[in-house]
Amino acid sequence: NAGVTQTPKFQVLKTGQSMTLQCAQDMNHNSMYWYRQDPGMGLRLIYYSASEGTTDKGEVPNGYNVSRLNKREFSLRLESAAPSQTSVYFCASSGDRVGYTFGSGTRLTVV
Amino acid sequence: GEDVEQSLFLSVREGDSSVINCTYTDSSSTYLYWYKQEPGAGLQLLTYIFSNMDMKQDQRLTVLLNKKDKHLSLRIADTQTGDSAIYFCAESKDSSASKIIFGSGTRLSIRP
Repeated sequence: NAGVTQTPKFQVLKTGQSMTLQCAQDMNHNSMYWYRQDPGMGLRLIYYSASEGTTDKGEVPNGYNVSRLNKREFSLRLESAAPSQTSVYFCASSGDRVGYTFGSGTRLTVV
Repeated sequence: GEDVEQSLFLSVREGDSSVINCTYTDSSSTYLYWYKQEPGAGLQLLTYIFSNMDMKQDQRLTVLLNKKDKHLSLRIADTQTGDSAIYFCAESKDSSASKIIFGSGTRLSIRP
């Protein structure tokens, strides 16, 4: 089915470990986004990519890096994970139609 | 700056109407959205309204927009157990959705 695919769905990291969250969309969307969702705080934008080859910081970029590998893929990297990065991470994409299409999320726990 | 606010919880009886409210601060918002998040899933676009409209109806859903007060509401008629979810209000300045600002979400629970 067409949509946004995120991997992995769950991950536990130790403090200081690194990992990359993967996101791919097959809808030929230009724009892609990474959000984190924390209880009572809604979704906060980490980074976004308005088009292939460009990335921009969102509201909470510290501790993260991103790569827009091609039009389909937008990855999020945690270089040195911290407990404050325990969260649910959502990737989304947008094209010509109104609104975003979201992936199902990655639940990350940093211990 | 831009801000979208909504209450965190709402409990309604099955069969009643649910009304979820939202306020936003950016008067230049062009699109206002309601997203639904079911447990363990991502957000799904439920409905949206243009800022030049004051009402939009889609089956059991009615969206009301008071642009003067920057107030948006979502009414769900005949609320069912399948409506249990978190509902996010959101706004953006254009249809390409380059930056959608989300509220903190309202958790709707249904009691028998």
